[in-house]
Amino acid sequence: KQEVTQIPAALSVPEGENLVLNCSFTDSAIYNLQWFRQDPGKGLTSLLLIQSSQREQTSGRLNASLDKSSGRSTLYIAASQPGDSATYLCACALEYGNKLVFGAGTILRVKS
Amino acid sequence: DVKVTQSSRYLVKRTGEKVFLECVQDMDHENMFWYRQDPGLGLRLIYFSYDVKMKEKGDIPEGYSVSREKKERFSLILESASTNQTSMYLCASRLEDSFNEKLFFGSGTQLSVL
Repeated sequence: KQEVTQIPAALSVPEGENLVLNCSFTDSAIYNLQWFRQDPGKGLTSLLLIQSSQREQTSGRLNASLDKSSGRSTLYIAASQPGDSATYLCACALEYGNKLVFGAGTILRVKS
Repeated sequence: DVKVTQSSRYLVKRTGEKVFLECVQDMDHENMFWYRQDPGLGLRLIYFSYDVKMKEKGDIPEGYSVSREKKERFSLILESASTNQTSMYLCASRLEDSFNEKLFFGSGTQLSVL
């Protein structure tokens, strides 16, 4: 059974700092991996989607990497801003079955 | 932009009540999903639907049912609400049955069962 873990559970950083959020998964048989952002009391917004054959994806100040063999993905946020404060979730699409498995998320707070 | 609308932002119900959560998407998406989100547990899939009148159980379907009579609307039904169904409920849709397609989420319904 696929398990997705996100570390740390919460992170507080000063504005302007570069930071890395971690996502690990136990079964490397994934189709792709997505990173989502969730603002308090709101739904999820898809940030980046990495196919299993890719190593990374970039969007603006965000860069997501995928190492399928080691079961890890990272989300790098450059020059963090208070507006980046949110919960960030990763989710693996399994190769078998029509299913996404989500991590519990990392709560990020960027202090001004 | 795709819009996924959940009819209620907050709901308070009593134990044993029948509860309907409604979700509507406006982009002719084939796939629709219901998740619940609990602190420390992430999102768990309750039910999903590939197309009209089609449904599949997710990981935690017990105590829930769904209805998809029209393509744009996917309803989650709690047959007899219980306190352990207090949670944030999130609806999502996707253009077609492909993991290359992104999921679009509604804003969620925070349900409290007393």
